[in-house]
Amino acid sequence: DTEVTQTPKHLVMGMTNKKSLKCEQHMGHRAMYWYKQKAKKPPELMFVYSYEKLSINESVPSRFSPECPNSSLLNLHLHALQPEDSALYLCASRLAGTYNEQFFGPGTRLTVL
Amino acid sequence: GESVGLHLPTLSVQEGDNSIINCAYSNSASDYFIWYKQESGKGPQFIIDIRSNMDKRQGQRVTVLLNKTVKHLSLQIAATQPGDSAVYFCAEIIGTSYGKLTFGQGTILTVHP
Repeated sequence: DTEVTQTPKHLVMGMTNKKSLKCEQHMGHRAMYWYKQKAKKPPELMFVYSYEKLSINESVPSRFSPECPNSSLLNLHLHALQPEDSALYLCASRLAGTYNEQFFGPGTRLTVL
Repeated sequence: GESVGLHLPTLSVQEGDNSIINCAYSNSASDYFIWYKQESGKGPQFIIDIRSNMDKRQGQRVTVLLNKTVKHLSLQIAATQPGDSAVYFCAEIIGTSYGKLTFGQGTILTVHP
C-alpha cells in the first residue's frame, strides 16, 4: 500500500457543526501533516506530527484540532468554522529523515456555509 | 520573510516542446528541494527532488537544476505531453524542521495538442 487516503472527499458544514476529517497511511511513515490549500494558491502547512506527537502548530486557530491516535491515522476535528475556512485540506506523510519526500492524499474539499 | 517563489505564473507550450519552469528561493539554509505536480482536484504528486549538495538530477523526461550561487531552481520537462498540464510547485525543506515544506507560488503549465 503506497498511498495516503482521505475521507470524506467532500464536506459541507454549517458554522455551528462539528465534523472530522480523516487521513490514513500504511507505509510505515512516522511523520504526518495537515495542509490547507485555497484556490490558485500553494498548500500552507497547518500541523506536523512526528512519532504521534504534535511537533509543529503553525499558529492555527483552535477551531481546528488535530489528533494522531496511532502511527497510521491522523484526524482533524472541526468546530465553529468560518466561511473563510472553506478550502482543500490535504494530508501528507513521509519517512523520518531530511531527504524523504512527502506523499500527499487527494484532499477533502470543505465548504463552510 | 524568506520564501520560495516562481518567476512565471503561467506557461503554454505545444505538445512535443520542452518546458522549463523556474523557481527562486531565498533561504540559503535549505537542504532539500522538491518539485510537485498538482492536477485539478488532486493532491500534489512528487516529480523529482534534489539535495543542496547537487546541481543536477535527472528522472524520466524531467531534469531539475539547482544553482545555489543565485538561489535558483528549475524543472525541465522534455517532449511535453497534454498529460503534463497541471500546476507545478517547487518546495524547500530545511533539515531540522520536521520536513516542513515551504511551497513556491506555482506555475500553471498548459500543453496544447
